[in-house]
Amino acid sequence: NAGVMQNPRHLVRRRGQEARLRCSPMKGHSHVYWYRQLPEEGLKFMVYLQKENIIDESGMPKERFSAEFPKEGPSILRIQQVVRGDSAAYFCASSTGAGGSYEQYFGPGTRLTVT
Amino acid sequence: AQTVTQSQPEMSVQEAETVTLSCTYDTSESDYYLFWYKQPPSRQMILVIRQEAYKQQNATENRFSVNFQKAAKSFSLKISDSQLGDAAMYFCAYRSTSGGSNYKLTFGKGTLLTVNP
Repeated sequence: NAGVMQNPRHLVRRRGQEARLRCSPMKGHSHVYWYRQLPEEGLKFMVYLQKENIIDESGMPKERFSAEFPKEGPSILRIQQVVRGDSAAYFCASSTGAGGSYEQYFGPGTRLTVT
Repeated sequence: AQTVTQSQPEMSVQEAETVTLSCTYDTSESDYYLFWYKQPPSRQMILVIRQEAYKQQNATENRFSVNFQKAAKSFSLKISDSQLGDAAMYFCAYRSTSGGSNYKLTFGKGTLLTVNP
């Protein structure tokens, strides 16, 4: 069973460009979470999605950031008009259920650098 | 809101020795999960050990064990017989078991562990 996959692993964007980060959950997992890790910080929750639904986006900046998890295909985290402060590692995790004893399995992360 | 504090930004240990990483947390809940994650230079987040608050027995996984003190809200990680491969950033994390946000992991800032040969 392949683990959580994220691509690209590294992404460089100039200020003002768009960044698209992809996450393919583990097989059988329908719950996806995105976390952001700023330099010298722990991971911080951004958004929780189930297939075709955003359940909780309370940790996501209100502007420029959006996330989706379509019926088919990977989950996408999109950052429009990137700024230097968006430079961070973005991690995706997936699980078979939410809360309780359900474990979240993490992908290897996407390192976004904004120049 | 829950908070997780790791007061040791860096620690070092000699190979084969034992090291303890500290973590404290703040919560008003009585039931929750606590985790230790390892992040090596590859940046992959790896679950090391998990503790359920309602269990009094401390969790152990091979060379890794925790000292869970619920009243003190303390959750330290002990690594015995340290190996070079243990060198990594270690994060303590908290997750509720109830309420509307029982899927959110709250992380500390991490402790960078160096293992000296």
